[in-house]
Amino acid sequence: DAGVTQSPTHLIKTRGQHVTLRCSPISGHKSVSWYQQVLGQGPQFIFQYYEKEERGRGNFPDRFSARQFPNYSSELNVNALLLGDSALYLCASSLATGNEQYFGPGTRLTVT
Amino acid sequence: QKEVEQNSGPLSVPEGAIASLNCTYSDRGSQSFFWYRQYSGKSPELIMSIYSNGDKEDGRFTAQLNKASQYVSLLIRDSQPSDSATYLCAVNVLPHASGGSYIPTFGRGTSLIVHP
Repeated sequence: DAGVTQSPTHLIKTRGQHVTLRCSPISGHKSVSWYQQVLGQGPQFIFQYYEKEERGRGNFPDRFSARQFPNYSSELNVNALLLGDSALYLCASSLATGNEQYFGPGTRLTVT
Repeated sequence: QKEVEQNSGPLSVPEGAIASLNCTYSDRGSQSFFWYRQYSGKSPELIMSIYSNGDKEDGRFTAQLNKASQYVSLLIRDSQPSDSATYLCAVNVLPHASGGSYIPTFGRGTSLIVHP
């Protein structure tokens, strides 16, 4: 079975631009979570969705938003990019909230 | 702020030795605990989950949980150079707002180096 997929793999944007990151969960998984990871740190929780509803939001500004579609895939949107948004963005899927999570390969975002 | 603490290391062990990785957490209500392995430049990979006090073994890996002490550990027996990676501890915590779902909170990870 295919694992969690994310696109794009790498992305370079300039300050002030907008970005959309995409994630497809493992088949049968209904929960998707998004994380930001900077070098030397653990993943920081951004959003969690289950059955298309937001179930949790981390300590990130309103420039960050997300949604989950009927097929359980998800998008993370970041507006007005800042240099500090440069990071590895990880998507993880699970059967439901609180269960074991499986990560996708991530999207490496560089903001210049 | 509900926290998960790990020693960043690096922890250096010789090949064939037992590597012991430790994690403490602040939320007494936490019910689910996970260990992930992350190679440099890659995404985290789930190693084990543990939900009850005591030990859980899977091959060369043993997770240990002590909820009274708010402590979870991972033992790697017969360590191999291929085990060299960062090991992330994750704990499901309830957010401060009532009615929320458990949110996975990660430690910063411990770097393990297994030398031949």
